[in-house]
Amino acid sequence: EAQVTQNPRYLITVTGKKLTVTCSQNMNHEYMSWYRQDPGLGLRQIYYSMNVEVTDKGDVPEGYKVSRKEKRNFPLILESPSPNQTSLYFCASAPGGGTTDTQYFGPGTRLTVL
Amino acid sequence: GEDVEQSLFLSVREGDSSVINCTYTDSSSTYLYWYKQEPGAGLQLLTYIFSNMDMKQDQRLTVLLNKKDKHLSLRIADTQTGDSAIYFCAERIGGFKTIFGAGTRLFVKA
Repeated sequence: EAQVTQNPRYLITVTGKKLTVTCSQNMNHEYMSWYRQDPGLGLRQIYYSMNVEVTDKGDVPEGYKVSRKEKRNFPLILESPSPNQTSLYFCASAPGGGTTDTQYFGPGTRLTVL
Repeated sequence: GEDVEQSLFLSVREGDSSVINCTYTDSSSTYLYWYKQEPGAGLQLLTYIFSNMDMKQDQRLTVLLNKKDKHLSLRIADTQTGDSAIYFCAERIGGFKTIFGAGTRLFVKA
């Protein structure tokens, strides 16, 4: 089944404790992206990747890192999480560079930073 | 700057039409999208429209685009309780930058 998977789905952590949220897609998509969703703000793009070893900042990259060492995986790294990073995170992927390409979204990861 | 605005709530009766509105600011947008998010789930693309089109119809969905006013709307005909969800308007600006609105929560009353 074609899908985008994220792990974990739920995470409660404490300020400053490094964490990684994994994202994997099995559709051989070139493009992957991370968003955070906050009430009243919709989705805001954190980072995106056009292909392996190519990543770019979105609108809210501060406090986050990403890597794209292989096509299928695009982990989101929070080196020192803070409470303002409490949010619902979505990973998405799309086939390639066309602007009509549908983005396929993962199920989301709800992160709480205490 | 780039911004997409939507009203936050809409309530309709089952069987009526729903119209969800969206305004955007960036005139360089190439594609505009409507996504649906059901509770506890990710976003699902409903439809999209190219910026040089005025209208697109897909079964119960009609998208209208007024480029002059930078206004996008989504009409759902014969709204059903299963249409209850959050609907996001989004615009693609160049490359892969996508700007999302805050989402409109649609309530469908039986």
